Amino acid sequence: DQQVKQNSPSLSVQEGRISILNCDYTNSMFDYFLWYKKYPAEGPTFLISISSIKDKNEDGRFTVFLNKSAKHLSLHIVPSQPGDSAVYFCAARPSGAGSYQLTFGKGTKLSVIP
Amino acid sequence: GAGVSQTPSNKVTEKGKYVELRCDPISGHTALYWYRQSLGQGPEFLIYFQGTGAADDSGLPNDRFFAVRPEGSVSTLKIQRTERGDSAVYLCASSLTVAGDNEQFFGPGTRLTVL
Repeated sequence: DQQVKQNSPSLSVQEGRISILNCDYTNSMFDYFLWYKKYPAEGPTFLISISSIKDKNEDGRFTVFLNKSAKHLSLHIVPSQPGDSAVYFCAARPSGAGSYQLTFGKGTKLSVIP
Repeated sequence: GAGVSQTPSNKVTEKGKYVELRCDPISGHTALYWYRQSLGQGPEFLIYFQGTGAADDSGLPNDRFFAVRPEGSVSTLKIQRTERGDSAVYLCASSLTVAGDNEQFFGPGTRLTVL
């Protein structure tokens, strides 16, 4: 039973346009959400995060939106660049006991076309 | 400074053999984690160390898997009697502490193939 779901295995976007990656979760105990970026043969790299007390967090070209009632979050990349081509993982963790334990989605492979 | 390093980067073994995978965390990081990423999946939590002790090993799939961190730095993941289903990328991560929003820094992983 997948607690973090990324339903789009892949996404292609033209350079300069917006990339929107989506993530849904089922566990109400999750209260902190993260996006990781992964290039081939490298480990995941932290990109941006959001706490459940917020609905938006922005860092440069990257913005994460959280809709708690819908248990949905999304990552927006504007403008998209070819170097953004990678696999993006959504991850979540609970508060309190087990807060170190990240639960990941299956990932979405983003291809930014020059 | 150096990031998390893992050796070997690739390991091919035969079914039934024993393997050891090594993780060198970022210097000064007290928390260390092992994850396993199977093909087409996201990383899945295996075990977490705070210092030398395994604080949570609930993600280890069975008793063929064991991990140690004897001096609170380097960790070794040990797999006995390997099975084809153990084939995956094994990722190690470390963080400064486990508390709060401490970011987990991942190593490049060890790709294990069991023939």
